[in-house]
Amino acid sequence: EVQLVESGGGLVQPGGSLRLSCAASGFSFSSYWMTWVRQAPGKGLEWVGDIKQDGSEKKYVDSVKGRFTISRDNAKNSLYLQMNSLRAEDTAVYYCVGGGGHDYWGRGTLVTVSS
Amino acid sequence: QTVVTQEPSLTVSPGGTVTLTCASSTGAVTSGYYPNWFQQKPGQAPRALIYSTTNKHSWTPARFSGSLLGGKAALTLSGVQPEDEADYYCLLYYGGAQLWVFGGGTKLTVL
Repeated sequence: EVQLVESGGGLVQPGGSLRLSCAASGFSFSSYWMTWVRQAPGKGLEWVGDIKQDGSEKKYVDSVKGRFTISRDNAKNSLYLQMNSLRAEDTAVYYCVGGGGHDYWGRGTLVTVSS
Repeated sequence: QTVVTQEPSLTVSPGGTVTLTCASSTGAVTSGYYPNWFQQKPGQAPRALIYSTTNKHSWTPARFSGSLLGGKAALTLSGVQPEDEADYYCLLYYGGAQLWVFGGGTKLTVL
């Protein structure tokens, strides 16, 4: 059974940092680009960024460039999202997504940026 | 700024057929945009339905199909079931910038 389990969400003050993790199992993690997608409360989905199989390429939506960093550890089947200089508009559920056709989704972890 | 546009809402009767579309502000959507479609029900994570325009996942019900229609990506539901009531999102790939962009979503009501 494929599982993607996100963790690390929580309440953080504006300007603060948070690191999200995603533990993958049940599929060949190292074979696929991995993606982070977020959804603000009551809003639609937003592609945040992704990372190539070997971590050599990373792409980000403009709104997070320079603040967020995606990384992975294929030995641990894990994906990470380091979020710095957080803003209120980063408040969202963050989903970890994997598979060649964005097949597999985690349940998400909620990040709330508020003072 | 690239914008992907979907119908905000659609209503269909049980057993009917409905087509949702996905347009790009940059012009006609082609297979090179690798259109993906996702279904999201309240309180749940999205579920992948279609990738690369027409390809179904192993769990995608046969009544869902993807295509290109009039310069847009399209998702057609034939023989709609009450459980198909959900939000549907398309996702397009912009190769020049190597970025993906979601559409705003379509709220499908089965009534």
